[in-house]
Amino acid sequence: DTEVTQTPKHLVMGMTNKKSLKCEQHMGHRAMYWYKQKAKKPPELMFVYSYEKLSINESVPSRFSPECPNSSLLNLHLHALQPEDSALYLCASAFRDRERNTIYFGEGSWLTVV
Amino acid sequence: AQSVTQLGSHVSVSEGALVLLRCNYSSSVPPYLFWYVQYPNQGLQLLLKYTTGATLVKGINGFEAEFKKSETSFHLTKPSAHMSDAAEYFCAVSRMDSSYKLIFGSGTRLLVRP
Repeated sequence: DTEVTQTPKHLVMGMTNKKSLKCEQHMGHRAMYWYKQKAKKPPELMFVYSYEKLSINESVPSRFSPECPNSSLLNLHLHALQPEDSALYLCASAFRDRERNTIYFGEGSWLTVV
Repeated sequence: AQSVTQLGSHVSVSEGALVLLRCNYSSSVPPYLFWYVQYPNQGLQLLLKYTTGATLVKGINGFEAEFKKSETSFHLTKPSAHMSDAAEYFCAVSRMDSSYKLIFGSGTRLLVRP
């Protein structure tokens, strides 16, 4: 089973709202990622968690706040977003070793900021 | 620094024809290379990967890719295109070092004509 589950699939929020995107995997992966993908563009890395600790923040604005409550869950808290933040948000996970190094992606959460 | 270049933002083939999607990489260390496919309104699915060993890698749905170190290439091929192959294809490179980052190329949209 190579499943990364993301909820919700679609989210519409106003610029003053607070919402969260959720991601779950039960493959024993210890690296988890958030990527942002705009239309007709490749995914762009936002955050990497390694062993539940934030290891990479790609200079993402503070209106995006990641959280990794445990080794299976990854959240992305959203607050005071702008319309240009509308995009597909992809969660991904991977083992943290060279032998099992494939990154698996979820189906994504489509975010629209109005 | 690592980077990936995909030649051709759009490739159009007839059903039954050979599919060739080009990918060149730049890496100062031995790379791990991946091809992902993204169908409309979906997440990314792994097609195949190269880490070490055999340079000809077979993936799902009849796709394969050959790692050529001398040419720094990892082109994706399929002998006979099917209508269901129409999608966006991303080549990606990773060092799988402490950052465990996956760097994507710009993507190639494959169009299959009946």
